[in-house]
Amino acid sequence: GAVVSQHPSWVICKSGTSVKIECRSLDFQATTMFWYRQFPKKSLMLMATSNEGSKATYEQGVEKDKFLINHASLTLSTLTVTSAHPEDSSFYICSAKQGGNQPQHFGDGTRLSIL
Amino acid sequence: DQQVKQNSPSLSVQEGRISILNCDYTNSMFDYFLWYKKYPAEGPTFLISISSIKDKNEDGRFTVFLNKSAKHLSLHIVPSQPGDSAVYFCAASVGRSNYQLIWGAGTKLIIKP
Repeated sequence: GAVVSQHPSWVICKSGTSVKIECRSLDFQATTMFWYRQFPKKSLMLMATSNEGSKATYEQGVEKDKFLINHASLTLSTLTVTSAHPEDSSFYICSAKQGGNQPQHFGDGTRLSIL
Repeated sequence: DQQVKQNSPSLSVQEGRISILNCDYTNSMFDYFLWYKKYPAEGPTFLISISSIKDKNEDGRFTVFLNKSAKHLSLHIVPSQPGDSAVYFCAASVGRSNYQLIWGAGTKLIIKP
């Protein structure tokens, strides 16, 4: 149980395009979803936290107009990287969490490469 | 300021022996700790957790020890297997709901055959 699916797993696109990444909890309802970014050989950096039906809470230094997060249902959250540039190239990972003491469960990540 | 530290970037252990991964924290408000395992190009996988009311939690080959006075926790894997080769992340939170996790930098564990 507790499977989180993230799609796509890898995307390459031109500078200036927008990219949408989906995160789905397949067998549980996620009250909260998290979006992380990982730089090479670095730890996970939390970008934002989203609760179903409400606006995402962004961490300091993360541009909310750049990284649009929508959490429309208890099983789906999306991250849209708008007008992507090469410096946005990174590994993006989502996680989902049920309420209470349940741990976060992670998707397999999305490798984003902006040319 | 790094609130969760994993000071060993990598660790090499012989197959069958014990692997000990260490994690230190500075925030005394942390009361829930988790270990995740991560393979390249995949998301982290939850391994084991411990709350501050305990000093040990065991699950199969994995045991986590917590020393609150030293603000130190460790993950023991015994016996180590080749499939254990991965990056291990320690994470901490305030409150058992682990709403927001603070992550260590990870330790790359290499199991030698």
